Amino acid sequence: DAGVIQSPRHEVTEMGQEVTLRCKPISGHNSLFWYRQTMMRGLELLIYFNNNVPIDDSGMPEDRFSAKMPNASFSTLKIQPSEPRDSAVYFCASSLAQKDTQYFGPGTRLTVL
Amino acid sequence: GESVGLHLPTLSVQEGDNSIINCAYSNSASDYFIWYKQESGKGPQFIIDIRSNMDKRQGQRVTVLLNKTVKHLSLQIAATQPGDSAVYFCAESGGAQKLVFGQGTRLTINP
Repeated sequence: DAGVIQSPRHEVTEMGQEVTLRCKPISGHNSLFWYRQTMMRGLELLIYFNNNVPIDDSGMPEDRFSAKMPNASFSTLKIQPSEPRDSAVYFCASSLAQKDTQYFGPGTRLTVL
Repeated sequence: GESVGLHLPTLSVQEGDNSIINCAYSNSASDYFIWYKQESGKGPQFIIDIRSNMDKRQGQRVTVLLNKTVKHLSLQIAATQPGDSAVYFCAESGGAQKLVFGQGTRLTINP
């Protein structure tokens, strides 16, 4: 099993640019989660999906952030326009069901200059 | 409200000693608890879990204890090794709710 796959692993961009982060969950998992981790705020849940449907996006910071899950094997997190305060490590995780053990990807380290 | 917190943000132990990492939770409806380990530059990794119908569960060198009376969870690591250095998170869920993560404890192993 390849585990949760995220791309890119590192992203450096300039303020104002659009950033798209990608995630492939573990095959057969029905829930997918996007987290952001910073030193100041720790691990924050941004949004999660059940069966490709967004269930709770209350953690999304603002309208600049959007997430989609067009099918069971792919999700994107988009930031447009990006700002320096968006710099963080973004993790994707998946689980069989929303309250089950979540398995995390390696993360995408985003730096917005 | 629901919250998961850790008693100590940092813990330093001697190599070979046992480590105990603590976690308090406030949601009495929580019935599933997980410990994760996060090494530098990696995502959190599942270590061990426990359901509320148990008070103890053992894995390889790790033991999780659950005290529902005082809403307390602990992770014991036996004979700690340098590779155990990481940040450890507890997480809880109850009913149909998603997992809620604590802030994490950094474990440092001294040679």
